[in-house]
Amino acid sequence: DAKTTQPNSMESNEEEPVHLPCNHSTISGTDYIHWYRQLPSQGPEYVIHGLTSNVNNRMASLAIAEDRKSSTLILHRATLRDAAVYYCILRLRSGANNLFFGTGTRLTVIP
Amino acid sequence: ETGVTQTPRHLVMGMTNKKSLKCEQHLGHNAMYWYKQSAKKPLELMFVYNFKEQTENNSVPSRFSPECPNSSHLFLHLHTLQPEDSALYLCASSQRPGENTGELFFGEGSRLTVL
Repeated sequence: DAKTTQPNSMESNEEEPVHLPCNHSTISGTDYIHWYRQLPSQGPEYVIHGLTSNVNNRMASLAIAEDRKSSTLILHRATLRDAAVYYCILRLRSGANNLFFGTGTRLTVIP
Repeated sequence: ETGVTQTPRHLVMGMTNKKSLKCEQHLGHNAMYWYKQSAKKPLELMFVYNFKEQTENNSVPSRFSPECPNSSHLFLHLHTLQPEDSALYLCASSQRPGENTGELFFGEGSRLTVL
């Protein structure tokens, strides 16, 4: 399974934008980039995913590098509720939905 | 509320006990998963079921025995566990592989403590 690398932890002030980076230099042309987050005492929840183009949804934006070897999850205005562990995961375009999680980035939001 | 319900939320058992974890999804999905999350370790995929058929067993010890009687229910039967099996066990569901985004919907987990 292709590997992703994320910083162990990041901090952000409340109501400021947050950019969470992810490196995936061994990504193949058929791998989707998925982001999940896990709030304290909860199971992971889906945030966003993309293949080549940047993506936006109500939770976040995903910026994908032109060579697809890295991506950035963007939270436009961090709230205290966004404090969580954020996971960047690669998934094969066709095939099993098996997702293999790494250690993720623990985001702390400072009031 | 994710549409995936796990019971019990907390379980304490001795090494000689037999217990079961239950997962139920109300999303009409046809793939279900068990993950294990130990302290300070990444989530580990344990088992995958598609249309009630097991399609992945990620080298899980036989003291963990999954059962999927239908696409809405998934069980994890536990027997003669070890203290190192103490962890949060997460169930997830999705549409079958290859369809739409492949988004997984997770339950809140069952916190297991083995004494």
